[in-house]
Amino acid sequence: DVKVTQSSRYLVKRTGEKVFLECVQDMDHENMFWYRQDPGLGLRLIYFSYDVKMKEKGDIPEGYSVSREKKERFSLILESASTNQTSMYLCASSLNAGGSYEQYFGPGTRLTVT
Amino acid sequence: SQQGEEDPQALSIQEGENATMNCSYKTSINNLQWYRQNSGRGLVHLILIRSNEREKHSGRLRVTLDTSKKSSSLLITASRAADTASYFCATDAWGNKLVFGAGTILRVKS
Repeated sequence: DVKVTQSSRYLVKRTGEKVFLECVQDMDHENMFWYRQDPGLGLRLIYFSYDVKMKEKGDIPEGYSVSREKKERFSLILESASTNQTSMYLCASSLNAGGSYEQYFGPGTRLTVT
Repeated sequence: SQQGEEDPQALSIQEGENATMNCSYKTSINNLQWYRQNSGRGLVHLILIRSNEREKHSGRLRVTLDTSKKSSSLLITASRAADTASYFCATDAWGNKLVFGAGTILRVKS
């Protein structure tokens, strides 16, 4: 069975802290994505990666960075967390390049920055 | 940029009734996908329809695509309480990523 896991379901951090969100997929997918989801705004793409050590900015990359050292793992980093980064973060993976294939999502991490 | 926009924002129906959700988008697309999200969870892929297809079925789901109107609809027939969820359309505009709409919240009352 296809599986995408995220390191935490709930996370509370303080303003200014460095935050790591980890995502692991076991499907040998090339593509991995990080989204944030806010009420009324749907999912917005932060970063995506189509190969190891490759990354591309999505629609809202400011304040975030990513790392993909291994094919199965994609990390989202908040260098200095701010209260406006309180959100639900969703990781996804897909086979091959492009959106022509379905994306498989993790359960999400609800991050609160106080 | 938000490509897909769902309508209505929220829908409440009785169990056994049909539910119809609509999605409009702005640019030409390669395909359009529908996803479901149960409360506080990740999204689950439901169906993908390509730009050269007009209709697709999967179980109780029926999706139509009208590229001339840049719109799609998702019909859930004989709804069940377990169908209560948020539904999102997502468009692949010939790029490497999907663009999601804000979603329709469906509540099925038993």
